[in-house]
Amino acid sequence: QSALTQPASVSGSPGQSIAISCTGTSSDVGGYNYVSWYQQHPGKAPKLMIYDVNNRPSGVSNRFSGSKSGNTASLTISGLQAEDEADYYCSSYTSSSTRVFGGGTKLTVL
Amino acid sequence: QVQLVESGGGVVQPGRSLRLSCEASGFTFRNHAMHWVRQAPGQGLEWVAVISYDGSHKYYTDSVKGRFTISRDNSKNTLYLQVNSLKTEDTAVYYCAREEWGQYYMDVWGKGTTVTVSS
Repeated sequence: QSALTQPASVSGSPGQSIAISCTGTSSDVGGYNYVSWYQQHPGKAPKLMIYDVNNRPSGVSNRFSGSKSGNTASLTISGLQAEDEADYYCSSYTSSSTRVFGGGTKLTVL
Repeated sequence: QVQLVESGGGVVQPGRSLRLSCEASGFTFRNHAMHWVRQAPGQGLEWVAVISYDGSHKYYTDSVKGRFTISRDNSKNTLYLQVNSLKTEDTAVYYCAREEWGQYYMDVWGKGTTVTVSS
């Protein structure tokens, strides 16, 4: 049950686009279209941003999108805004019926 | 409104036990699988356990197997996590989260309850 691999940090200027990668194995990310992404601001609970690789819950901005290729999923945020500065976590269903999170990525809006 | 409220956290000595609770409101609790997720100070999210809508299936992360037990009482709309033989590395904020019916993502989260294991 190893954590999914995410970059520790990414940064971008307002208006730019950034992507956060999430690498797993064929037993999790690569084996199922059940990757989800969560946003967490300091001291707050996580918030669902993307589910099933590329679906947005109602109320989440269309600036957030997801994709997957092989064992790597990605979260893209376009038109960066100051409020996007937060930690982002990917998660996947696994072949053991468990779930696994990535180590988290800190997004800094310059 | 849809809400999850955790309770039961506190400061406890290594080797002792606690029971965490998560009270649900605003939705049909018995229709949803439920998760526990924890976050150690300054660290990332760690998935802990999941229980099916009727309690018949339970899965755990390796590091808590044999020490933690997830359960639910659908008549009380409450999820539980019994945590035994606590270790200092179990110190974390413990969140409960709802899984959407038939899906594999957590769409509603509580605000968490803090467990501190210290002598």
